[in-house]
Amino acid sequence: AQRVTQPEKLLSVFKGAPVELKCNYSYSGSPELFWYVQYSRQRLQLLLRHISRESIKGFTADLNKGETSFHLKKPFAQEEDSAMYYCAGETSGSRLTFGEGTQLTVNP
Amino acid sequence: NAGVTQTPKFQVLKTGQSMTLQCAQDMNHEYMSWYRQDPGMGLRLIHYSVGAGITDQGEVPNGYNVSRSTTEDFPLRLLSAAPSQTSVYFCASSYRRGGTKLFFGSGTQLSVL
Repeated sequence: AQRVTQPEKLLSVFKGAPVELKCNYSYSGSPELFWYVQYSRQRLQLLLRHISRESIKGFTADLNKGETSFHLKKPFAQEEDSAMYYCAGETSGSRLTFGEGTQLTVNP
Repeated sequence: NAGVTQTPKFQVLKTGQSMTLQCAQDMNHEYMSWYRQDPGMGLRLIHYSVGAGITDQGEVPNGYNVSRSTTEDFPLRLLSAAPSQTSVYFCASSYRRGGTKLFFGSGTQLSVL
């Protein structure tokens, strides 16, 4: 079955520390992968997508086909990064599937 | 530009009651969808539509109905509410199905007693 897994429900780091939110996928084809973020009292919004190979708000994510992972990374976490993060994936013809979500807390 | 508008923001129902969650978008998006968000389970797709007059089931469709009579509107109907339907519901739309950015509404927090 096509699915996306985020093994950590909660992640807590200190300001200035590196942060990595894990995402693993199982897809039979070549998936398109996304990270969505929901800040407190805001709407869920797209953070980045792997085909764009972009850095948004200092976050990057690389697709590792060998490990079937799409981990989200930031070298120096900021307090405003505290939010719920969802990894999501799809293949051509399939529907977008979200992971369970990781609540990131960046402590001062 | 309003984007995706959901109403109501909060709702409390008694078991067995029915209600409709409203969703409207003003971006002329073909694709619209409904998700429910439950702790530890992420977002799960309930129903979706790829255009006016076309709807299909998602991952957890039981207990819900949808229709798409116009491009703009995609209401979600709970036929006979159950406590298991207590959740936060999100409507989302995109230009087309697949490979594009989803725009989300602000959510409806529903409690079924």
